[in-house]
Amino acid sequence: DAGITQSPRHKVTETGTPVTLRCHQTENHRYMYWYRQDPGHGLRLIHYSYGVKDTDKGEVSDGYSVSRSKTEDFLLTLESATSSQTSVYFCAIMRGEDTEAFFGQGTRLTVV
Amino acid sequence: GENVEQHPSTLSVQEGDSAVIKCTYSDSASNYFPWYKQELGKGPQLIIDIRSNVGEKKDQRIAVTLNKTAKHFSLHITETQPEDSAVYFCAASKGGGADGLTFGKGTHLIIQP
Repeated sequence: DAGITQSPRHKVTETGTPVTLRCHQTENHRYMYWYRQDPGHGLRLIHYSYGVKDTDKGEVSDGYSVSRSKTEDFLLTLESATSSQTSVYFCAIMRGEDTEAFFGQGTRLTVV
Repeated sequence: GENVEQHPSTLSVQEGDSAVIKCTYSDSASNYFPWYKQELGKGPQLIIDIRSNVGEKKDQRIAVTLNKTAKHFSLHITETQPEDSAVYFCAASKGGGADGLTFGKGTHLIIQP
């Protein structure tokens, strides 16, 4: 599993509440990514990080923010959750440029 | 940006037969093409990948082919087994770590006993 831990694994939250998902890695990889997976859409990139405090937007970044204050942790925040953000969220790491990407086990988020 | 199309969305084959999943990409700058297998309730797992300087790569029962001119690549699974049943995703990347991977929408492979 390339030393990736996502927490929580499941969460149910109410519309309008803030939510933070955590991705923790143990192997000091430079690149970290957040994807969401929805039926009929595959996996879509939300945000990614290429180092501490270095982040950039992906294809579906609206409504999400990220932070990376330490190499090992990449946080995804939904400032005010909406029902359209109900999804399975995956964190991924890449060990370096031009290397393989490995995924965590996912977080299932339900916004009611 | 990059766009990856994947077909078919569902593929049912008899155990022991071969399965082929096809993907096309739009950005000629893409140079890295991985395939992932996802089982129910788990994260995607890398099963094979190919880079643009190679036309074909094999790993036991799995092979991937790449046609850069036509901008398409395919996954071939021979002698399919029940444990091959899963959702398979193709992806494309320009490399370098930035922008991550662009995924196809997935193929649900069903192995019939």
